[in-house]
This record gives sequence, C-alpha cells and structure tokens, in this order.
Amino acid sequence: GENVGLHLPTLSVQEGDNSIINCAYSNSASDYFIWYKQESGKGPQFIIDIRSNMDKRQGQRVTVLLNKTVKHLSLQIAATQPGDSAVYFCAEPYEGAGTALIFGKGTTLSVSS
Amino acid sequence: NAGVTQTPKFQVLKTGQSMTLQCAQDMNHNSMYWYRQDPGMGLRLIYYSASEGTTDKGEVPNGYNVSRLNKREFSLRLESAAPSQTSVYFCASSEGQGSETQYFGPGTRLLVL
Repeated sequence: GENVGLHLPTLSVQEGDNSIINCAYSNSASDYFIWYKQESGKGPQFIIDIRSNMDKRQGQRVTVLLNKTVKHLSLQIAATQPGDSAVYFCAEPYEGAGTALIFGKGTTLSVSS
Repeated sequence: NAGVTQTPKFQVLKTGQSMTLQCAQDMNHNSMYWYRQDPGMGLRLIYYSASEGTTDKGEVPNGYNVSRLNKREFSLRLESAAPSQTSVYFCASSEGQGSETQYFGPGTRLLVL
C-alpha cells in the first residue's frame, strides 16, 4: 500500500521564487521522514531528513516542516534555481523492514528562467 | 569512492529470459536494497538485506530473487522475465543500525518484450 502521498504531481515556478512541495503520510508511528531529489536519468539523491520529535529543520536553501497533528510534511526551497528542476519524493520507514523506505509518488518541480 | 554502482545500465530481454542485475557499494554499508520505479510512480521495495547474510522480501518480491554475495554486493535475479517487469531498477545502501540515509545507484533500465 501507499503510506506516503503528495498533494500535487507538478509544480511550476519562476527562478527566484520560493517553492513549497507537500506530502501527506498515513503512518503516525513513523519516527523520521526523508526528502529525496531525482534528476532525469539519475538515482534519487538525499536532500534533508527530519525526526518525528522535531517540527522544523533547515538546510542550505531548504527547510522541512512536519505537522504531526495532520500528518503533513512539506519541503520549502528558497530562491529556486533552474538546477532545482527535478522530481521530489518524500519517504518514511517501511514498517518492519529495517531501514528500508516507502516512497510517495513524487512532485515534478519545473523552474523557468 | 564510486558510491553505489549498478550494471548493466540498460538491458532488453525477451519474455521468459533470465538475467541478473548487479549492484556494489564501496562505503562499507551494512544494509542494501532493491527498488523498482515505474513511470509516474515512486520507488517500490523489492527486496532488502539488513546485513550480510540476510535477505527479506519487500513490497513487490514476486518474480525476483536476490543474493547478498558479500558485504559489498547485492544482486537481483529475474528467473523468467515478464513484460510487467519492464521498469527502472535502483539499488541503494545505508549504514543501517539506526542510520537511515540511503544512497542510490544510477539505475538499470530494463525492457522486457
């Protein structure tokens, strides 16, 4: 089954705008979440993670917000650049499978100049 | 460090043929994984190996077998390929033991006719 889903399959923004990619999850027992970026023809690349005892975590130009009340996760990208164009996946632990992950379907971010 | 490598990059098979997808990692990671990715979908777990000497089924194991040859290598075998197995296959590894970040290979694109 699909534990992790995304609200929108595509998002188009202008260069320099801030982007927000959303994710809804169903397993309230998940203790961490990870965002991956996948460029065309490549494997997913780790962006940032957040543990369930946090509600915000910041990286370089990226911020992840976690709202456990409504089981919602978001990835914010500041000053979006053309190089940010990719598919973004959220992922959570695959229950009972060690450190394996279950992925959402992904949001395709397109950045125009 | 090459990270996670996969061979071949691309393969065409006829229905009923067999083949083995190879994966190796040079990061001394304990855990390794095989996922498949279909168009417009997230990654789905086929099999995983939490540590050398162990393998377990994931979400979509039917039609596949795996071998954790040693700590570095984790292979995926299709005994009798079917058109439904046309997909992109990704291998990943992680330290395991509480460290969840997975590092992905570049993928193998498989077409079954």
